[in-house]
Amino acid sequence: QQPVQSPQAVILREGEDAVINCSSSKALYSVHWYRQKHGEAPVFLMILLKGGEQKGHEKISASFNEKKQQSSLYLTASQLSYSGTYFCGTERRGTSYGKLTFGQGTILTVHP
Amino acid sequence: DAEITQSPRHKITETGRQVTLACHQTWNHNNMFWYRQDLGHGLRLIHYSYGVQDTNKGEVSDGYSVSRSNTEDLPLTLESAASSQTSVYFCASSPGLKTYEQYFGPGTRLTVT
Repeated sequence: QQPVQSPQAVILREGEDAVINCSSSKALYSVHWYRQKHGEAPVFLMILLKGGEQKGHEKISASFNEKKQQSSLYLTASQLSYSGTYFCGTERRGTSYGKLTFGQGTILTVHP
Repeated sequence: DAEITQSPRHKITETGRQVTLACHQTWNHNNMFWYRQDLGHGLRLIHYSYGVQDTNKGEVSDGYSVSRSNTEDLPLTLESAASSQTSVYFCASSPGLKTYEQYFGPGTRLTVT
């Protein structure tokens, strides 16, 4: 079952902050975050694993609530380059590793 | 530099034809994945492989097949193309024997007429 992302879209001015949420009804082992610009491939941002381990870019922060099966991506002091569609990919506990189910995406637009 | 490539980048084919999309990575990654991306559905997993001779079905595998004869390549075959398979197809790879970040290829836009 596909995780649910919210909001579906957000518009910011440069320097503003945003939070993108990802929620699953299944018990999760990990949550992955990717950003995709129009016409391009998704690019890895962050992995959050059960137990608290995180791997990702220094300027990106995120959280993973294992009890609620929810993750949030925090974008602070946004830049024009942050514009794009953000996807969370969830990895269920007890399934094959790397087998991700992606949300429908959140479109982020940053204006000058 | 190591990379992941897909070919062709654009393909138009007719209903019923067999089509093969190529994916090649030079990172020597064990794991490779095929996704399709459609508006409103995000990315959906078609097939994946953990190594040579290993292939597994994803959530939307009907009408697709893959084979892994070496580490670098995972071609995706549409046995008999259907209009419902018009989509953008992404290949991805990741290292290791557990969860790691996936590196995506540039994508192939396939149109079935």
